[in-house]
Amino acid sequence: QKEVEQDPGPLSVPEGAIVSLNCTYSNSAFQYFMWYRQYSRKGPELLMYTYSSGNKEDGRFTAQVDKSSKYISLFIRDSQPSDSATYLCAMSADGGTSYGKLTFGQGTILTVHP
Amino acid sequence: ETGVTQTPRHLVMGMTNKKSLKCEQHLGHNAMYWYKQSAKKPLELMFVYNFKEQTENNSVPSRFSPECPNSSHLFLHLHTLQPEDSALYLCASSQDTGTGYNTEAFFGQGTRLTVV
Repeated sequence: QKEVEQDPGPLSVPEGAIVSLNCTYSNSAFQYFMWYRQYSRKGPELLMYTYSSGNKEDGRFTAQVDKSSKYISLFIRDSQPSDSATYLCAMSADGGTSYGKLTFGQGTILTVHP
Repeated sequence: ETGVTQTPRHLVMGMTNKKSLKCEQHLGHNAMYWYKQSAKKPLELMFVYNFKEQTENNSVPSRFSPECPNSSHLFLHLHTLQPEDSALYLCASSQDTGTGYNTEAFFGQGTRLTVV
């Protein structure tokens, strides 16, 4: 069993739709949860970061963490064609140097069409 | 322009060649990482360096040899690779202050490696 499971998609939605991306995980030691966005031929860039359980909102993006269910989500409201990318969930057990020691999901390919 | 620069962007090498990937970070970070991204697989952590010292080797074959001469530079030396080593190799950096405040991991754009 993979430590982090993420549906690779691809996911195709019309512009303006609400997008829901999800990951499940098995390691209960994870307490830092991130979402990275990766455009084609680029490196991943951090989109959202959440510590432990709870919600975090940043503009059109909302990240949710439910540690009891070992389930994290990223919601994108009013999706735009520029949101078309691969979305990677990532997790870490500790801070410090472990902050960069991330366990990633496979990534979900998202296409938002006009 | 990213604060983490990787060169070359693309590399094609034969199985008997020796080549090196270079990573430079301009962010003043003290931790650097090599990740491997293969098609249809999650990013895999390969090596971790903290203050130039290797703190983690994630069971990486010895045909991959990292080097960290200072906190700003990281190399990955490659020799006698296999076609299955073809992948995107990503470098990342972060700051560990040891006081509980940490920064996100910033990634470079990667080196697309093809082994023929």
